[in-house]
Parts: sequence; C-alpha cells; structure tokens
Amino acid sequence: QKEVEQNSGPLSVPEGAIASLNCTYSDRGSQSFFWYRQYSGKSPELIMFIYSNGDKEDGRFTAQLNKASQYVSLLIRDSQPSDSATYLCAVRGTGFQKLVFGTGTRLLVSP
Amino acid sequence: NAGVMQNPRHLVRRRGQEARLRCSPMKGHSHVYWYRQLPEEGLKFMVYLQKENIIDESGMPKERFSAEFPKEGPSILRIQQVVRGDSAAYFCASSPRPADSNQPQHFGDGTRLSIL
Repeated sequence: QKEVEQNSGPLSVPEGAIASLNCTYSDRGSQSFFWYRQYSGKSPELIMFIYSNGDKEDGRFTAQLNKASQYVSLLIRDSQPSDSATYLCAVRGTGFQKLVFGTGTRLLVSP
Repeated sequence: NAGVMQNPRHLVRRRGQEARLRCSPMKGHSHVYWYRQLPEEGLKFMVYLQKENIIDESGMPKERFSAEFPKEGPSILRIQQVVRGDSAAYFCASSPRPADSNQPQHFGDGTRLSIL
C-alpha cells in the first residue's frame, strides 16, 4: 500500500464547476497535510495546508481533513482553465520533517 | 528574490561524470530538503539538512549520492558517476526555524538533470 494515494486522473471539469481532489494516507500519526499545485515543467507551489479535522477555506480553495478516515481533500470552486495542473497531496508525520507525496492528480478545466 | 534559489536550472552530464546541484534557502530559513521527481512520478524525499548537519538521509541512494549544507554557502547535492537513471528533476525546499512539523516547505524552481 502506498503511503499517500491519489487518483492520477485526469479529472476533467468545465469552467465554473467545482473540482474535488482526494487523497488518502496510511500513517495514522500524520500531523500536517499540504496541497501543492505543479504546472508541467515547473516547481510545486503551495496552495493550502491543514492540520486539524474539518474544513479550511482560502479564496476559491477549501481543504478538508478527516483523520479518522485518513482522508484529505481539496475543493476548487469556480474552476478556471488556469487551474489546469497536477495537484500533489503531501503528508508529514509526527517528529519527521520530510514530506511524503502522492503521485498527483491531473486536473483539466475546459473553457 | 527572497525565494529558494537553485542552480543550475538545467544540467547535462555524460554517464560517469559528476553532477553538483546547488540550493540557497529562503532568507531566514535554515532547514533544507532535497526531493527527486522522476518523469511522470511524484516527488520522493532524499535528504533533510540543517547547517553543518545531516538530519535525515533515509531517502538517499546508498552509493554515489551525497549532500551537505555548510556553515557558509548553499546546500550541495552531489551525484558521482552519474547513470541514465539519475535523469530527473531535483527540487530543493526550505523551511524556517524552529523546526516545527507544521511549517510548510517552499520549493525552488528545481534543477533538471539530463544524462546522455
């Protein structure tokens, strides 16, 4: 079982729709969770981070965390073609500094 | 530019040569992390360093790879006797002190290493 799992996609949504990206993780001791956006050939860019169960909103982005289910998600409202990228879920466990990444979900937003 | 600085952006080496990748963390950051991204794959942790200390090298291949973060100057990821399988994007990230598991890591633009 992979430590962090994401559906590779592509996830296709029309412009203006809500895109829902999901991630599960295996380490129950994981403490902090990050979503990065990566355009092709570019570096990962931090979008959101969340530590506590529940929702965290920032503009069009909402991160959701359910530690009991070991599940974290990212919602993108009013999706734009410029949101088309690969979204990487990253997890960090207790006492460890390294991030464990999923393989990413490719999002395609069509005009 | 106060971001994480990596150089070179692109590096081409022939098999058997050495590759040196450099990373200067964000201003005020003293924790550096190296990750490798193979084509069509996610980022894999390689090594975590603080100034003059390797904290976690659990992701480093046992041979040919080494890393340092000297008191002065950038962090260096060194790959000796490169092979084609070393072709990848190498990303450096940094985070501020104190070491806090909730601090996000900020990435540099990466070095794309190509082995001929």
